[in-house]
Parts: sequence; structure tokens; C-alpha cells
Amino acid sequence: ETGVTQSPTHLIKTRGQQVTLRCSSQSGHNTVSWYQQALGQGPQFIFQYYREEENGRGNFPPRFSGLQFPNYSSELNVNALELDDSALYLCASSLRTSGRGAQETQYFGPGTRLLVL
Amino acid sequence: AQRVTQPEKLLSVFKGAPVELKCNYSYSGSPELFWYVQYSRQRLQLLLRHISRESIKGFTADLNKGETSFHLKKPFAQEEDSAMYYCALYSSASKIIFGSGTRLSIRP
Repeated sequence: ETGVTQSPTHLIKTRGQQVTLRCSSQSGHNTVSWYQQALGQGPQFIFQYYREEENGRGNFPPRFSGLQFPNYSSELNVNALELDDSALYLCASSLRTSGRGAQETQYFGPGTRLLVL
Repeated sequence: AQRVTQPEKLLSVFKGAPVELKCNYSYSGSPELFWYVQYSRQRLQLLLRHISRESIKGFTADLNKGETSFHLKKPFAQEEDSAMYYCALYSSASKIIFGSGTRLSIRP
């Protein structure tokens, strides 16, 4: 069984640029959630994808967007980067077997650390 | 507003002493609550959830709706319990709200 992987592990961007972060879900999982974790804070929910469709969104502006592919891997795209976007971005995958998504256990990746200068 | 509050950023106890990590929540309705843990150099992982009413690694957590709390407890701390602990609440639309975390440090 392969765990959740994320790439890249870290990167540096400048304000105004765009970035794409990638996540490969654990084998057999069909749901991916993305979180932003600022220094000293808990993870903040960005959005979740289930069967290639957005299935819930947190309080993040539209410049945060995502995709889920048929193999259930996922991308997080952030446009017009701002300094406050500097954070650790976590991806978590899970297997949803019913309509409601909270019961399944989420398995987290190691994260991508983004620094915006 | 839906919120999770962990009032302690750092909790330091001696090995063998009892541990209680505090968590309070704000939520209208029946909450689903979790504790996540992150050990040094490891990933964030689920420790326990209140609906399972289970004990994991000696930790338990009881939901107190009257006090809107979900404190994590262990009667005798072990050195390997040192980690970052996050309380989390399932909100609507698949959203999980995390607290800001408490770093637990077990002194030998």
C-alpha cells in the first residue's frame, strides 16, 4: 500500500506568480482534501475533491483552485501569489463509501512548504 | 461561528504523570470531533474520534456537550507521547476545522 505523496517538498516563488502543487492519494482512496498550515497554526481546510468534483470549500478566495484526476491524484493551483500564502500545504486522502464524508479517516502527506517573497 | 479552541500552546509534564489536553468547540448541532497527532518528523495522523469511543495508546477523549469540550486524557504519560496534538471538528460540506494545536512535552 502506497502512502500519500506530495511534490515538490518545498519551493520559493515571488509575489504575483502562480504555483501548482501535486498530491498522489493513497492506493484505493477516492477523496482528496487540501489544507494550508501557517506557522504556529493548525491546518486550515481549503477544499475537498471527490470523484473529480469539488465537494466542499473553506474560506479561501477563488485564486485557490484545484483538480482531481481519474486516478484520484490532485493538484492545488494558486494564482497571483501573496506573501501571506507562505505556508505548509497538506494533502490528505481518504476512501468515501457513503454520501457523507466525515467518517472516513484522512491520511496526510508530508506537505509542500511554499515561501512567497 | 464554528470554532475549535486549544488554549494551551505548550504542555509539559513529567513521565508517569497524568495528561489532559484541553479542547473546546463552538458548533450548532451534533458535533463530530477528532484528535490528530504529529510526532517529530512524521505526518499528521488521526489519533482518535469521539464516535468510536475507543482508547488509543492509552488516550481517551470524552465529548461533553454541556461544556462543549473534548479534552484528551491519559493517566500516565510516556516519553513517546511527546508530539503536537490537534483537536478537530467536522463541519458541514466535508470541512474539518482544526485547533491551533498543543505541543506536549514529556520530561523524563
